[in-house]
Amino acid sequence: DTEVTQTPKHLVMGMTNKKSLKCEQHMGHRAMYWYKQKAKKPPELMFVYSYEKLSINESVPSRFSPECPNSSLLNLHLHALQPEDSALYLCASSQERWPPTNEKLFFGSGTQLSVL
Amino acid sequence: SQELEQSPQSLIVQEGKNLTINCTSSKTLYGLYWYKQKYGEGLIFLMMLQKGGEEKSHEKITAKLDEKKQQSSLHITASQPSHAGIYLCGADIGETSGSRLTFGEGTQLTVNP
Repeated sequence: DTEVTQTPKHLVMGMTNKKSLKCEQHMGHRAMYWYKQKAKKPPELMFVYSYEKLSINESVPSRFSPECPNSSLLNLHLHALQPEDSALYLCASSQERWPPTNEKLFFGSGTQLSVL
Repeated sequence: SQELEQSPQSLIVQEGKNLTINCTSSKTLYGLYWYKQKYGEGLIFLMMLQKGGEEKSHEKITAKLDEKKQQSSLHITASQPSHAGIYLCGADIGETSGSRLTFGEGTQLTVNP
């Protein structure tokens, strides 16, 4: 199993809603990542978890709350989002936290989020 | 300014033609990755280059990292419609712990049958 599975694939939410994005991998990877990608732009790193502990938070607004309940799961809790938060949210994993630079990141297919 | 510059931004070729995409940095690249993305979907790993002068090939795609490790090229031979998509180069720009994988702006490739 070399997949990173993200659910849901599409999500539409209002600015007062609370929702969660889920990511799962069964490759035994100990590092997991959340990236945000706006249309026609490259992915931008949001959070990095290493051994279930948050190791990087790229100054992301508190309306995004990551959670890593175990080594296989990564959640992103969303609350009081703004329309400008609409984007493709990508989850990735690697054997160990990247760098060292011989690690390959495996990406999920993403959740397309629309905030109304 | 963008730390990783990709060129061209978009490319339209006829099926069967060869093409090259470039990725350039003003800093030394500690590992250079090429990914492919279909619009609105996840990234698919293509190749990773680490050593100056390194070259790797997979099927009809060849990637090279120059000796100075500041530029990489991705070459597709005899392009097919299945090669269409967005090609992203990614690299570790930082030199200290906590560095992160940064991506270029991407090259949109269209292959016309």
